[in-house]
Amino acid sequence: AAGVIQSPRHLIKEKRETATLKCYPIPRHDTVYWYQQGPGQDPQFLISFYEKMQSDKGSIPDRFSAQQFSDYHSELNMSSLELGDSALYFCASSLGAYNEQFFGPGTRLTVL
Amino acid sequence: AQKVTQAQTEISVVEKEDVTLDCVYETRDTTYYLFWYKQPPSGELVFLIRRNSFDEQNEISGRYSWNFQKSTSSFNFTITASQVVDSAVYFCALSASTQGGSEKLVFGKGTKLTVNP
Repeated sequence: AAGVIQSPRHLIKEKRETATLKCYPIPRHDTVYWYQQGPGQDPQFLISFYEKMQSDKGSIPDRFSAQQFSDYHSELNMSSLELGDSALYFCASSLGAYNEQFFGPGTRLTVL
Repeated sequence: AQKVTQAQTEISVVEKEDVTLDCVYETRDTTYYLFWYKQPPSGELVFLIRRNSFDEQNEISGRYSWNFQKSTSSFNFTITASQVVDSAVYFCALSASTQGGSEKLVFGKGTKLTVNP
């Protein structure tokens, strides 16, 4: 069965650079969630989209922005990267906003 | 606000021992879901179980079993006859309705389980 695809899987950036993470949900899933997991931490909710509209925001820095496109894939844009942005970024998708979330493999971002 | 507490930060056992991971949650939602995820050193989140708040039946899946007690707001996870491959960080999570009308997951801090040969 098709799963959530995230790209790239690994990304290394310098401080103050920008990064774009991509998420391709399971086919027919219309809801996407982004989570950030710092080293030794639990995943924290960043933002979610339902039918291409932002549905909720969590503890997402103003330097980050995200959107969901017409084909339901989502991109998380991160600017002015800081060392503290180094983390695993998970994308999850669901069919509808109140159904089970399926997680992607994550993108490991390292900021040097 | 929703909250998940996993009081055990780290547990170390010897292979074939049984081990129980504790999870206590807080929520004001009348309908919610509870989850357990396994995160091996490779980093992916492996889904283990999703339980509806109205279903208090215990569940067993192979060596894994879950005990859901609404009266104590607990959703504990037991691994029977642990194996080295069970070594991982285990997260308990709770679904939380949001102001925007969707649902996010709130995770506990995780319990790192080490199974020694």
